[in-house]
Amino acid sequence: LAKTTQPISMDSYEGQEVNITCSHNNIATNDYITWYQQFPSQGPRFIIQGYKTKVTNEVASLFIPADRKSSTLSLPRVSLSDTAVYYCLVGDHNNAGNMLTFGGGTRLMVKP
Amino acid sequence: DAGVIQSPRHEVTEMGQEVTLRCKPISGHDYLFWYRQTMMRGLELLIYFNNNVPIDDSGMPEDRFSAKMPNASFSTLKIQPSEPRDSAVYFCASSMLTEANYGYTFGSGTRLTVV
Repeated sequence: LAKTTQPISMDSYEGQEVNITCSHNNIATNDYITWYQQFPSQGPRFIIQGYKTKVTNEVASLFIPADRKSSTLSLPRVSLSDTAVYYCLVGDHNNAGNMLTFGGGTRLMVKP
Repeated sequence: DAGVIQSPRHEVTEMGQEVTLRCKPISGHDYLFWYRQTMMRGLELLIYFNNNVPIDDSGMPEDRFSAKMPNASFSTLKIQPSEPRDSAVYFCASSMLTEANYGYTFGSGTRLTVV
């Protein structure tokens, strides 16, 4: 099971781009990288998932270097409503439980 | 779709009482997960089901905890007897592990307080 390491917290200001990096040195060949967002009093919400290179959707971009030992979640032009905890998960799709082992997450605070 | 529905949203009970948490997954999803979240331990996977069958319950803390999934649209997590250290937010999540989508949908959680 690949362990992930993320910064505990980050601060940003409205309108800025935020990049949260996750380290996963022991990532396995079949592992995918998934990011979730959690607001207070809510369950985690799927943001984005990738295997290699770059993935982009309407919410964020995910950058994964060739060695896949890390990944960076990029949030463009954050707003106050992006204040949340962001979790990076790594796991094999063939093991559903493996895919949902959460680490400590990164608490992002967006300031006006 | 209404998403994953959990009930109750809040539960306050006395130590020693039985507590039952309920979850209705998204229709068509064949995986269901139960999580517990506390400040100290974060999000912990308790148990998950595939096609109503428990696959891995290694995260269930002890025999006081039990989970069932009698059909594809309903699951329960029961704690008997409850203890103050069981106080946490319990989340249910469901998923359909297709090739194109490995995202999981979580419910809003049940905040359990055992006094």
